[in-house]
Amino acid sequence: GQQLNQSPQSMFIQEGEDVSMNCTSSSIFNTWLWYKQDPGEGPVLLIALYKAGELTSNGRLTAQFGTTRKDSFLNISASIPSDVGIYFCAGQSTGGNQFYFGTGTSLTVIP
Amino acid sequence: SQTIHQWPATLVQPVGSPLSLECTVEGTSNPNLYWYRQAAGRGLQLLFYSVGIGQISSEVPQNLSASRPQDRQFILSSKKLLLSDSGFYLCAWKPVPTRGGYTFGSGTRLTVV
Repeated sequence: GQQLNQSPQSMFIQEGEDVSMNCTSSSIFNTWLWYKQDPGEGPVLLIALYKAGELTSNGRLTAQFGTTRKDSFLNISASIPSDVGIYFCAGQSTGGNQFYFGTGTSLTVIP
Repeated sequence: SQTIHQWPATLVQPVGSPLSLECTVEGTSNPNLYWYRQAAGRGLQLLFYSVGIGQISSEVPQNLSASRPQDRQFILSSKKLLLSDSGFYLCAWKPVPTRGGYTFGSGTRLTVV
């Protein structure tokens, strides 16, 4: 299967700080997704991106579809304690039936 | 609106016992359906996906199987569980042909003892 490298693996930040994480693939994707998973629950879709260079926001979250179509980025501004969780990127190539997931970034926010 | 139901939420089973996890989707037709396993809170591993009734694609050979007896029902089974089958199992669906991501169920925590 295709491999998505997500970094960093984990982050420990102070409340109020901004967060940046990224995801790179060995293949070109036509769709990028970002999910957040709370402990013991299923991942929840945060942002979907469909075009190279696209920048989309969802509240304090902003994600970008990389211009090479092999990467994507997620930023969280002014982090709060409820941002704690694991963030996953996922990508899909044209005509594909499945999304490939990154290994996740574990975010801890220290009040 | 569309909803996905997955049960049970937790399950403790002895080694060698059978398994049946069920997932149903409401409010949509002919969705793509997926079973994922997540070990140690990271890494989503695709086990099976289905694009229609009776159509199952297996991504990882193992002692698990999947079936789709109805359009919006997806079942994950095993005849004899192994210790290594422990994990967090997630069902997901995706609308077809519209674009969009997966919607995941709430997951089943399986512990094989």
